[in-house]
Amino acid sequence: DTAVSQTPKYLVTQMGNDKSIKCEQNLGHDTMYWYKQDSKKFLKIMFSYNNKELIINETVPNRFSPKSPDKAHLNLHINSLELGDSAVYFCASSAVGEAFFGQGTRLTVV
Amino acid sequence: KNEVEQSPQNLTAQEGEFITINCSYSVGISALHWLQQHPGGGIVSLFMLSSGKKKHGRLIATINIQEKHSSLHITASHPRDSAVYICAVDTSGTYKYIFGTGTRLKVLA
Repeated sequence: DTAVSQTPKYLVTQMGNDKSIKCEQNLGHDTMYWYKQDSKKFLKIMFSYNNKELIINETVPNRFSPKSPDKAHLNLHINSLELGDSAVYFCASSAVGEAFFGQGTRLTVV
Repeated sequence: KNEVEQSPQNLTAQEGEFITINCSYSVGISALHWLQQHPGGGIVSLFMLSSGKKKHGRLIATINIQEKHSSLHITASHPRDSAVYICAVDTSGTYKYIFGTGTRLKVLA
């Protein structure tokens, strides 16, 4: 069983569209994250949720909105997509002593 | 200046060589992770350390909290070890991981 699963793996969409990326973890972790990896492979945190509560909200355009319907899910909604949003987005979850990442979603905005 | 610095940025080694990747950080941390990212893109957590040393197969990770420094060692390196290795620190229980810029390792057969 995949510990942290993201869907879709690839997403190609036009500028101005609204899209969502889903993330689910089956580890029972309390904390989940969204990270953005830019073209230089640098990972940067976007959001962190702990027990469905938003803990960290870094300087991210408000077009990005995370939603956590329950502890096992953290979805990322992006409105009015822009070319600069093209990147790989990683979901992760953690508990004391361990952390797991999803496989990433490669978003390409054309 | 990044709060987490890795060195070297790029490393090419011959198969069988002993490899060391370093990570220095300037913030208070509760734990440090070493991550591996293969060319396909997936990220795997190799180690989580808060003190001392951990070993898993050919991989060894050490951390010195006083010096704010960690090292990842690979013994008897193999081409399949070729990947980007990323150091990430958990800043004192704030659920915020700060990542280093990564070390791109290439092991030649």
